Amino acid sequence: DAKTTQPTSMDCAEGRAANLPCNHSTISGNEYVYWYRQIHSQGPQYIIHGLKNNETNEMASLIITEDRKSSTLILPHATLRDTAVYYCIVRVRRSGGGADGLTFGKGTHLIIQP
Amino acid sequence: EAGVVQSPRYKIIEKKQPVAFWCNPISGHNTLYWYRQNLGQGPELLIRYENEEAVDDSQLPKDRFSAERLKGVDSTLKIQPAELGDSAVYLCASSSRDGAQYFGPGTRLLVL
Repeated sequence: DAKTTQPTSMDCAEGRAANLPCNHSTISGNEYVYWYRQIHSQGPQYIIHGLKNNETNEMASLIITEDRKSSTLILPHATLRDTAVYYCIVRVRRSGGGADGLTFGKGTHLIIQP
Repeated sequence: EAGVVQSPRYKIIEKKQPVAFWCNPISGHNTLYWYRQNLGQGPELLIRYENEEAVDDSQLPKDRFSAERLKGVDSTLKIQPAELGDSAVYLCASSSRDGAQYFGPGTRLLVL
């Protein structure tokens, strides 16, 4: 799986949009970008994933650059409960389901300030 | 829909004792994973199952760790005997067809 680079930590004011960047310059054509987060003392939580088109769900938006070498996770209206470590992971998704284990890096510690 | 269920949530044992963790994945998820997370680190994969078959156990310390997934649903991870360095959070996850993995709350193990 391609390696990802994320800032160690970020702050964001409550109610503002949190934009978390991720670099994955060695991503290959069949690799997807996945985002997870881990709130203190909980298991990781799936947020969103994409291949090349921008994606949006009830939790967040994922913006992938045209060359796919970087992406940004956007939490549109951050709340205190969004304080967590956010992991950007690049991996191949197999057709028909099933997938290799995730390789977690150090992630970005996002702190939402009141 | 119920999420991934794990038990126990916490376990304290003395070194050299055995310990077992149980996981019930999301209904319909054929792929099940066990991860270990040390303090301040991201989770690390121990083993992956496709139905009842262990398809990736390369990171499982086989001298003391074992796992099973009878009937391709529930799974058990065992450590025997436990060592001080095994203190960690043990996470179970299952995945859907789109590749997203859904994690349980984990079992926090402390070996004294």
